[in-house]
Amino acid sequence: ETGVTQSPTHLIKTRGQQVTLRCSSQSGHNTVSWYQQALGQGPQFIFQYYREEENGRGNFPPRFSGLQFPNYSSELNVNALELDDSALYLCASSPTATTNEKLFFGSGTQLSVL
Amino acid sequence: GENVGLHLPTLSVQEGDNSIINCAYSNSASDYFIWYKQESGKGPQFIIDIRSNMDKRQGQRVTVLLNKTVKHLSLQIAATQPGDSAVYFCAEKSTGGFKTIFGAGTRLFVKA
Repeated sequence: ETGVTQSPTHLIKTRGQQVTLRCSSQSGHNTVSWYQQALGQGPQFIFQYYREEENGRGNFPPRFSGLQFPNYSSELNVNALELDDSALYLCASSPTATTNEKLFFGSGTQLSVL
Repeated sequence: GENVGLHLPTLSVQEGDNSIINCAYSNSASDYFIWYKQESGKGPQFIIDIRSNMDKRQGQRVTVLLNKTVKHLSLQIAATQPGDSAVYFCAEKSTGGFKTIFGAGTRLFVKA
């Protein structure tokens, strides 16, 4: 088990709504990455936060946004939800963004958009 | 996945046999490679990693091989056990890059 916790574990929303997902990183880690994993696929990189700043972004529209707090916990916000946003959202922390390090994943939030 | 793919989507092995999961990558700049295991209802868990200055690395019952010439990565699991049943992802990263790129995954079934 990693020390990364995500909440909620499951969530059901309707199209057009907004959602906020939360992540607590492992102690001592200052970098958090968010991934979207559709059913039967590999995780797709959304963005990364390093010391409270967005450090990089994948091919996701601006309605996907995030925050990182001074304690390095993080939020993923998705506005104007679409049916295709239904997926498992994974948060991963790592000791730092400046070197190649493995990721420590939480168990994810399963989002269903109806 | 983006630049990392797998040759087989599913692999079925007998308990006690060795398993080999293969992966191809396309980014020549990648210099760090990782294998993750994902069980149902959980996030991916680190298994083993290898840096580009190596071609083989061994862990407990697992070995990763890296062939940079043909951009190929493999994971070998010795004496496969029922608890090894999961989806396995290879992933890549480059120094100075900010994201780890995952392949599509291989589902490993272990028959008792």
